[in-house]
Amino acid sequence: SAVISQKPSRDICQRGTSLTIQCQVDSQVTMMFWYRQQPGQSLTLIATANQGSEATYESGFVIDKFPISRPNLTFSTLTVSNMSPEDSSIYLCSVVWGLGTEAFFGQGTRLTVV
Amino acid sequence: DAKTTQPPSMDCAEGRAANLPCNHSTISGNEYVYWYRQIHSQGPQYIIHGLKNNETNEMASLIITEDRKSSTLILPHATLRDTAVYYCIVSLRIQGAQKLVFGQGTRLTINP
Repeated sequence: SAVISQKPSRDICQRGTSLTIQCQVDSQVTMMFWYRQQPGQSLTLIATANQGSEATYESGFVIDKFPISRPNLTFSTLTVSNMSPEDSSIYLCSVVWGLGTEAFFGQGTRLTVV
Repeated sequence: DAKTTQPPSMDCAEGRAANLPCNHSTISGNEYVYWYRQIHSQGPQYIIHGLKNNETNEMASLIITEDRKSSTLILPHATLRDTAVYYCIVSLRIQGAQKLVFGQGTRLTINP
């Protein structure tokens, strides 16, 4: 199993500002992913955080809005830029070691934009 | 991308078996079926996964049909703590690991 720490656990932010969310894992992982869960909705994959290279974004998500860093095999950040109330969601990171293995999720960051 | 179809909600009596169905008719041969659940305000929790054979662990059993087009998650003795949204996911391979794409899931309510 893995211990995944996300910071902050929650935040209330002013529109137009940016927030960086951190995801720290207690062991090296192959893949790290970032998800968004809007109120009352399922999880939507934002991007795959690639170690040492640019993240791979899903349709509808762009790097300018959600820049992602992954400097090593245990850490990643997601920034929500120029926030609007529509960005109010829970943001979750997830880690996977390989094919046919389970994914582990952090507890999420609950973001409210006012 | 293989898509999954699940009933939006189900009810089950406490102590009974909860059987959650999932259709994944476009699954390809090397894609796994995963089940996760999300209890309110928590991150998703892994339950079980399988490729072709039926699987069982301490939490649940997974029954996959022979043609792999559908599966059933079985919680053998449901408790009130099993009330959650259950997601059936077909994994997509990327760089040797799977990428999970969530559908809407089934909201399972266990009644006393």
